[in-house]
Amino acid sequence: NAGVTQTPKFRILKIGQSMTLQCTQDMNHNYMYWYRQDPGMGLKLIYYSVGAGITDKGEVPNGYNVSRSTTEDFPLRLELAAPSQTSVYFCASSQKETYGYTFGSGTRLTVV
Amino acid sequence: LAKTTQPISMDSYEGQEVNITCSHNNIATNDYITWYQQFPSQGPRFIIQGYKTKVTNEVASLFIPADRKSSTLSLPRVSLSDTAVYYCLVGAAANQAGTALIFGKGTTLSVSS
Repeated sequence: NAGVTQTPKFRILKIGQSMTLQCTQDMNHNYMYWYRQDPGMGLKLIYYSVGAGITDKGEVPNGYNVSRSTTEDFPLRLELAAPSQTSVYFCASSQKETYGYTFGSGTRLTVV
Repeated sequence: LAKTTQPISMDSYEGQEVNITCSHNNIATNDYITWYQQFPSQGPRFIIQGYKTKVTNEVASLFIPADRKSSTLSLPRVSLSDTAVYYCLVGAAANQAGTALIFGKGTTLSVSS
């Protein structure tokens, strides 16, 4: 049981480039989330999804897009990368919003 | 979503019991209280969750008073490996769609030998 898998683990982007952070879970969880964590800070919610085909904005959605075409996958798209998007990105899933979240190991992104 | 307040940092020694208290004065009737642990360079890990009174598992205990306006995470006999950031979160009700947990800055626990 792999849990939540995030790829890539590390990435360096140039300003203005775009990329997709991949997130896959094999626990058949309906709820999935994207958080970012800046150095020494807590996690900020970017987007979340309560099921396939349903997504909603979190605290800091600007500059990002998501899609949820299947229960398993919840990719995060960065368009026109900016230095302010340098952060560690965590994907998580849960069976219900009140249940414990299972987090992936994170993607460390640097925009230069 | 209810806002939580917890200490920024705490220090302890190996073998001691550590209690981290979290305030959540505007908790809603159906909200749950959840605690996570995060080590450097890792994603948060679920520790324990409760609604009222006391919950205990193999890792920690969670004490919730009757008014539910606060909660205390208790870590028995901590070791160096318990050095981490601990987050207290108040979650949405099970019957509310379209919500997600909001993480604060957490409490950085440092355990020394």
